[in-house]
Amino acid sequence: EVHLVESGGDLAQPGGSLRLSCAATGFTFTAHSMNWVRQAPGKGLEWISYINDGSNAIYYADSIRGRFIISRDNAKNMLYLQMNSLRVEDTAVYYCARDYSWTYTIDFWGQGTLVTVSS
Amino acid sequence: DIVMTQTPLSSSVTLGQSAYISCKSSESLGHSDGHTYLSWFHQRPGLPPRLLIYKVSSRFSGVPDRLSGSGAGTDFTLEISRVEVEDVGVYYCMQAKQFPWTFGQGTKVEIK
Repeated sequence: EVHLVESGGDLAQPGGSLRLSCAATGFTFTAHSMNWVRQAPGKGLEWISYINDGSNAIYYADSIRGRFIISRDNAKNMLYLQMNSLRVEDTAVYYCARDYSWTYTIDFWGQGTLVTVSS
Repeated sequence: DIVMTQTPLSSSVTLGQSAYISCKSSESLGHSDGHTYLSWFHQRPGLPPRLLIYKVSSRFSGVPDRLSGSGAGTDFTLEISRVEVEDVGVYYCMQAKQFPWTFGQGTKVEIK
């Protein structure tokens, strides 16, 4: 059974940093691209980043480009999101989400981890 | 970026009746590979979204055939037939023709 478990969400100050992690189990991690999608409180979904299986294709939303870095460790079945220069508007639940191979969509989502940016 | 616009933003439906959600994209979602990467997701309060439909009309594993997707180009529709209590929540369309992938604003479905 596919499981994606995010961790690392916390309260951070504006300008601060956090690192989110996502532990993937129940499937062949190296066979899937991965994404981060966020959802601000009471708001809709916002895709923010994609990384392919070999980490040689990476994409970001404009809202986070230059501040966040996506990475993965295929030996550990882990996905990461390094979040720097945090802003109040980055407050959201962050979901780790698996790419449904060759269909350009997301087939499984983690439960999410809450990031709150506030002074 | 491709803008996805959903209508209505909320819908109150009688049990057993049908609900229709429209999703329009700011440009055609037809990809050069011949596919159209338009998906639909359902999210219940406090839970992550779950995939319903991908590539316009392909139903994901375990999704009942009461749910169906259709459309082409810039206009897409999700139909929920014989609405049940489990169908309440927010529905999102998403395009993956190009990065950044973008979602519609969401359509909240409730039971009348």
